[in-house]
Amino acid sequence: KAGVTQTPRYLIKTRGQQVTLSCSPISGHRSVSWYQQTPGQGLQFLFEYFSETQRNKGNFPGRFSGRQFSNSRSEMNVSTLELGDSALYLCASSPWVDTEAFFGQGTRLTVV
Amino acid sequence: QKEVEQNSGPLSVPEGAIASLNCTYSDRVSQSFFWYRQYSGKSPELIMSIYSNGDKEDGRFTAQLNKASQYVSLLIRDSQPSDSATYLCAVNVYKDSNYQLIWGAGTKLIIKP
Repeated sequence: KAGVTQTPRYLIKTRGQQVTLSCSPISGHRSVSWYQQTPGQGLQFLFEYFSETQRNKGNFPGRFSGRQFSNSRSEMNVSTLELGDSALYLCASSPWVDTEAFFGQGTRLTVV
Repeated sequence: QKEVEQNSGPLSVPEGAIASLNCTYSDRVSQSFFWYRQYSGKSPELIMSIYSNGDKEDGRFTAQLNKASQYVSLLIRDSQPSDSATYLCAVNVYKDSNYQLIWGAGTKLIIKP
């Protein structure tokens, strides 16, 4: 069974640009969550989607948005990038809500 | 009080000894508890899940849950240098009319040869 796939793995963007990250969950998983992790920091929750609906949202500005498609694939978008947005962005999928989460390898975003 | 708390460490343990990692949580109605391991620069990987009071063993790993005292712990027997990583505790917490997975900040474990 294929794991969680995130694309791209690495990305370099300029301040002010926008970026879209993609996540393909494990087949059959319906819940997708997104996290931001900066060096030395824990996981900062961005949002969670289940059956195309946003269930939960973390404390991030409106520049961070996401969506989930009918095949459970998810995208997150960051507009007007700031230097502080440089981080590892992790996607995790779960079969259902309140179950184990399985992480992708992450997208490392660098904003210059 | 943080919803999920872990000692940030680092916790240094000699090779072959038992490493004990602890996590406390604030929500009394939490039902699902998870331990993850994260190597530097990598994504977290699930080690154990536990839902009932008591111990759950998987190889060298044992998770212990005590809902009355609101803590969950992870024991690693016969610690190996490859166990050196950050260990994250995650708890399902009822918040904003939904259950959400809340993460501890992680404990850095160092196994000394």
